[in-house]
Amino acid sequence: QKEVEQDPGPLSVPEGAIVSLNCTYSNSAFQYFMWYRQYSRKGPELLMYTYSSGNKEDGRFTAQVDKSSKYISLFIRDSQPSDSATYLCAMSYNAGGTSYGKLTFGQGTILTVHP
Amino acid sequence: DGGITQSPKYLFRKEGQNVTLSCEQNLNHDAMYWYRQDPGQGLRLIYYSQIVNDFQKGDIAEGYSVSREKKESFPLTVTSAQKNPTAFYLCASSKDGMSQHFGDGTRLSIL
Repeated sequence: QKEVEQDPGPLSVPEGAIVSLNCTYSNSAFQYFMWYRQYSRKGPELLMYTYSSGNKEDGRFTAQVDKSSKYISLFIRDSQPSDSATYLCAMSYNAGGTSYGKLTFGQGTILTVHP
Repeated sequence: DGGITQSPKYLFRKEGQNVTLSCEQNLNHDAMYWYRQDPGQGLRLIYYSQIVNDFQKGDIAEGYSVSREKKESFPLTVTSAQKNPTAFYLCASSKDGMSQHFGDGTRLSIL
């Protein structure tokens, strides 16, 4: 079993829809949770970064972490064609020691928002 | 503009050949990372470096080597021992070890 599981999709939605992207994980030691967006032939860019359980909102994006269920989500409201990309979840144990900055990524979900 | 520059964008390797991928950053970040991305497998960590002259193996280091002689540079060599090198290679850097900034990658193919 992989440490981080993410439904690869692909996911296709109409413009304006609410999108829900999800990851589950098996290692309860993960404390830092991130979502990256990757356009075709480009490197990933950091969208959201949360620590421990709870919600974090940034514009049309909301990141949600439920540590008791080992489940994280990214919600995109009023989705736009420009949101079409691959979305990667990532997580880490801590910021220090030998695992400094060592991220474990999900497989990525391909999202298409059509006009 | 600050950022990470990876070169070349496309690279072809012949059998038995070593090739080196370049990664340069001007963000003044201490930590740098190399990942490999294959379809349907997300990103897998090859090597990472927290400071100059120090680096650690990631999850899939076999067949790869790195050096970190300067803060700005973290080149990756794909050796002939790497039997399946065809992939998209991504370099990243970080100030705090968490939020990582990525370059736009090098796509390596076998001739």
